[in-house]
Amino acid sequence: GESVGLHLPTLSVQEGDNSIINCAYSNSASDYFIWYKQESGKGPQFIIDIRSNMDKRQGQRVTVLLNKTVKHLSLQIAATQPGDSAVYFCAEKVTGGGNKLTFGTGTQLKVEL
Amino acid sequence: DGGITQSPKYLFRKEGQNVTLSCEQNLNHDAMYWYRQDPGQGLRLIYYSQIVNDFQKGDIAEGYSVSREKKESFPLTVTSAQKNPTAFYLCASSIFVGNTEAFFGQGTRLTVV
Repeated sequence: GESVGLHLPTLSVQEGDNSIINCAYSNSASDYFIWYKQESGKGPQFIIDIRSNMDKRQGQRVTVLLNKTVKHLSLQIAATQPGDSAVYFCAEKVTGGGNKLTFGTGTQLKVEL
Repeated sequence: DGGITQSPKYLFRKEGQNVTLSCEQNLNHDAMYWYRQDPGQGLRLIYYSQIVNDFQKGDIAEGYSVSREKKESFPLTVTSAQKNPTAFYLCASSIFVGNTEAFFGQGTRLTVV
């Protein structure tokens, strides 16, 4: 992924508000897109994925939107809670391209009380 | 409890020394991965393994080596040839290579002194 140096993009939201985290991807051949959450000092944790033939998928309090026209992915978190504070990574996978996941640089979400 | 365990959590190494990071999983997963994470950056794939006795180079394999003698274990050796080894190392596993849900360990923070 493209490096943004030492400072991650940061999104600050008030507790209870909705959060929208955005991600741009580059490979039009990617057939799966995934969101991971990483809390401080821990390994990433899977949140939700979406196949490239879909444009929306919902989970528990989260929705992922995919716009293939502009190669854009977003994660919406409803009623953001303090426990949602973390770094969020998008990842993409190309089936047949080694099937590896390629991760983006991440967005820091800070929930303010 | 099923999971993936990395040890140690913190590791210090003198320049010119090789060091081995441990990764064990009891999830019965075929695929295992090693990623490197630097401050403010995404995860970069070092090596991955689809099955026992098999492993493939990732995007930044130079200066690293791995083995996969057992399904449960995928140790990573950081050799003296790795020019900038100080980083946070993450091990992960998934049911098969390319499965979008990877399970990560807690990470090992390696510092070269």
